[in-house]
Amino acid sequence: GIQVEQSPPDLILQEGANSTLRCNFSDSVNNLQWFHQNPWGQLINLFYIPSGTKQNGRLSATTVATERYSLLYISSSQTTDSGVYFCAPRGYSTLTFGKGTMLLVSP
Amino acid sequence: SQTIHQWPATLVQPVGSPLSLECTVEGTSNPNLYWYRQAAGRGLQLLFYSVGIGQISSEVPQNLSASRPQDRQFILSSKKLLLSDSGFYLCAWTGTVKSYEQYFGPGTRLTVT
Repeated sequence: GIQVEQSPPDLILQEGANSTLRCNFSDSVNNLQWFHQNPWGQLINLFYIPSGTKQNGRLSATTVATERYSLLYISSSQTTDSGVYFCAPRGYSTLTFGKGTMLLVSP
Repeated sequence: SQTIHQWPATLVQPVGSPLSLECTVEGTSNPNLYWYRQAAGRGLQLLFYSVGIGQISSEVPQNLSASRPQDRQFILSSKKLLLSDSGFYLCAWTGTVKSYEQYFGPGTRLTVT
């Protein structure tokens, strides 16, 4: 199956700072999603991005499928951005999740 | 719009007891349905997925089983729980026509004592 590696595993930021989260995957994929898991456990969809770049407010994502990586950018971070960020590429029929990046934004 | 429900939200069960977790999706038809488990330490493990009524694919051998008795209902079961079954269980769905974007339910937190 697809191997997914996310970096960094943990990240601590001051409010207002910018950050880049990286996701490397081992094989060709049909699409890729980024999720944010909030402190209550809910997985929130951030991006559905098989290739190219998308932006949603302070967040943006870029997937370069030919080089097998995706990046999630968070600008002007806020305390509500805290939680775990998961990358999940999709192979033939299912998503494969990385271990996530745990982000803590302090005021 | 589509919504996904899971219940119960939390559950504490003794070792050896049975388990039944339910997931239902509203606002769509013929979804693909998925059960995941998230143990302490963050990673999500796919347990089962279903592309239609009565069609179940198992990803890992374990103490659990899944059933899909109706198009938008997915049930996770166990006859006898083990301590290692504790975790956060998440149900998810994807459409099968326009997009394969996956959406998750709120989850069930299971503690086996």
